[in-house]
Amino acid sequence: DAGITQSPRYKITETGRQVTLMCHQTWSHSYMFWYRQDLGHGLRLIYYSAAADITDKGEVPDGYVVSRSKTENFPLTLESATRSQTSVYFCASSTRGMSSYEQYFGPGTRLTVT
Amino acid sequence: KNEVEQSPQNLTAQEGEFITINCSYSVGISALHWLQQHPGGGIVSLFMLSSGKKKHGRLIATINIQEKHSSLHITASHPRDSAVYICAVTGGGADGLTFGKGTHLIIQP
Repeated sequence: DAGITQSPRYKITETGRQVTLMCHQTWSHSYMFWYRQDLGHGLRLIYYSAAADITDKGEVPDGYVVSRSKTENFPLTLESATRSQTSVYFCASSTRGMSSYEQYFGPGTRLTVT
Repeated sequence: KNEVEQSPQNLTAQEGEFITINCSYSVGISALHWLQQHPGGGIVSLFMLSSGKKKHGRLIATINIQEKHSSLHITASHPRDSAVYICAVTGGGADGLTFGKGTHLIIQP
């Protein structure tokens, strides 16, 4: 199916483990984003990518790593998960830069770090 | 960093009422987005605007650049409009979208 998908949808992991959240879009959008949503903070940008092999930090990048070897995929890795990274993670994509075009959001991944 | 404030935080209304949600921001922007998040968690973009007014069905969004303020209106509200409505802005020297904390709207039948 066309669109933007995330996997897994739910994940429970232990402190210190490495976790990778996957994001895949079928529109060939150039821009992709990772956000986290927490009670009391709302949505915050973690990392974004303007094109394959081009990534940049957002508001809260510490503890996360991203890569983008292919236009359609934008994985987010928590190298050593901490309880503070328990959150709902949303991936999004856009045809242009963030100020110019609307963003399309994936369904989210609910991550719990124990 | 742009500060985005939404009001009210929570709103409960009866079916059919006219709804207004407000958003203000602190620094000049290039665009403002209104998003809708349903109880299941999915986020949908409703509007993106940089000036004036836009309308989709029963939803109307306005923005006043000089006053750094936007409003989202829902006419003839319906229980299916119950959701969290989120305002976000781009520009103003920041990378990426800066979000408000959302307005939790409940429309009772």
